[in-house]
Amino acid sequence: AQSVTQLDSHVSVSEGTPVLLRCNYSSSYSPSLFWYVQHPNKGLQLLLKYTSAATLVKGINGFEAEFKKSETSFHLTKPSAHMSDAAEYFCVVSDKAAGNKLTFGGGTRVLVKP
Amino acid sequence: GAVVSQHPSWVICKSGTSVKIECRSLDFQATTMFWYRQFPKQSLMLMATSNEGSKATYEQGVEKDKFLINHASLTLSTLTVTSAHPEDSSFYICSAREPLSGSTDTQYFGPGTRLTVL
Repeated sequence: AQSVTQLDSHVSVSEGTPVLLRCNYSSSYSPSLFWYVQHPNKGLQLLLKYTSAATLVKGINGFEAEFKKSETSFHLTKPSAHMSDAAEYFCVVSDKAAGNKLTFGGGTRVLVKP
Repeated sequence: GAVVSQHPSWVICKSGTSVKIECRSLDFQATTMFWYRQFPKQSLMLMATSNEGSKATYEQGVEKDKFLINHASLTLSTLTVTSAHPEDSSFYICSAREPLSGSTDTQYFGPGTRLTVL
């Protein structure tokens, strides 16, 4: 069975400083991994995805994530936080053994201080 | 990226009534759509997988007679909450899988529907 653990339920950063959101996964097959962002009362927007190509994945809005199979991690980073980055972030795993169903992490709420 | 819409964005109804929520893929055809439920400050929980032209597949613990799903076309899936009660109040989000080569497992999400049952 696949699972996702987001290690921090809340992250608080100052504007202009780096952001790190941690994610570990468990999967029985070669997984696809995603990061989605959700602003209050909105749907989910895809930030980036890993699908067995380059292990360093660049996404929208300056975010990137690195797939590390040995550590079963897929941490999300951004060099400089912006006020508009305040939102909920979800790490998501999908693998063929689970019929490509998505399994969501618990989410990390990001607060950006001015 | 692919666009998915939902209607309505919010709805308030009386206990015992039924509510229908629509999910549309606007610029692509989706043979598979998904319905999720999200409680406040929690993650998304998959309710069911909606397949065009066939019966939906429900996750364990989801009442199929209460949450009716119809995927009548390649761009439209509907979720009907029948005989709604206050405990059905939640944020319902749909997604659609974009069937492009190399992206068969990427889901695009609608903006969600906030259901409040009085």
